[in-house]
Amino acid sequence: EAGVTQFPSHSVIEKGQTVTLRCDPISGHDNLYWYRRVMGKEIKFLLHFVKESKQDESGMPNNRFLAERTGGTYSTLKVQPAELEDSGVYFCASSRGQGGYGYTFGSGTRLTVV
Amino acid sequence: AQSVTQLGSHVSVSEGALVLLRCNYSSSVPPYLFWYVQYPNQGLQLLLKYTTGATLVKGINGFEAEFKKSETSFHLTKPSAHMSDAAEYFCAVPNTGFQKLVFGTGTRLLVSP
Repeated sequence: EAGVTQFPSHSVIEKGQTVTLRCDPISGHDNLYWYRRVMGKEIKFLLHFVKESKQDESGMPNNRFLAERTGGTYSTLKVQPAELEDSGVYFCASSRGQGGYGYTFGSGTRLTVV
Repeated sequence: AQSVTQLGSHVSVSEGALVLLRCNYSSSVPPYLFWYVQYPNQGLQLLLKYTTGATLVKGINGFEAEFKKSETSFHLTKPSAHMSDAAEYFCAVPNTGFQKLVFGTGTRLLVSP
């Protein structure tokens, strides 16, 4: 089966611009997660979808971040407007069952805001 | 709340030497525990996980980890380091609701010839 796919793999944007990250989960996985790692820090949870519904968005840093999962398939994470502190690696993961049993991660999107 | 602590942000070993990466967990219930690895310019890959049963867990690429409840530890080891093991390693535990993973800060393994 195909893995979790994320694109772009890299994105460099200027402060104030908008960027949209995309994640395609493994087919049949209802659970989709976004995580972020800023330089030198731990990997932090952003939010969790079950199908198209946001189950938990407690990790979203502020209202400049908007995540969607229309139709319960792929998900997008939009940052508008981007700030310097948004730089980092954004990981997507998916699972069939509860995430506590572990899930499959994508290769990540490295976002650099200059 | 569940948490993990990884001691040492960087660990340096020589090729062929023992690798030991430390992880201690804080959990009020018998946990599931994970080690993930991130190779340069790649995503996070599951190295191994402890669920229940045998406390010594074997993973990919010759790595293993031992769950020690008395020490609340889940240290990762490999008897003989290879240059290709150079990567960043993350220990993780599920949160209380068992819906998401809580990660440690990561340990970068450097392997010298």
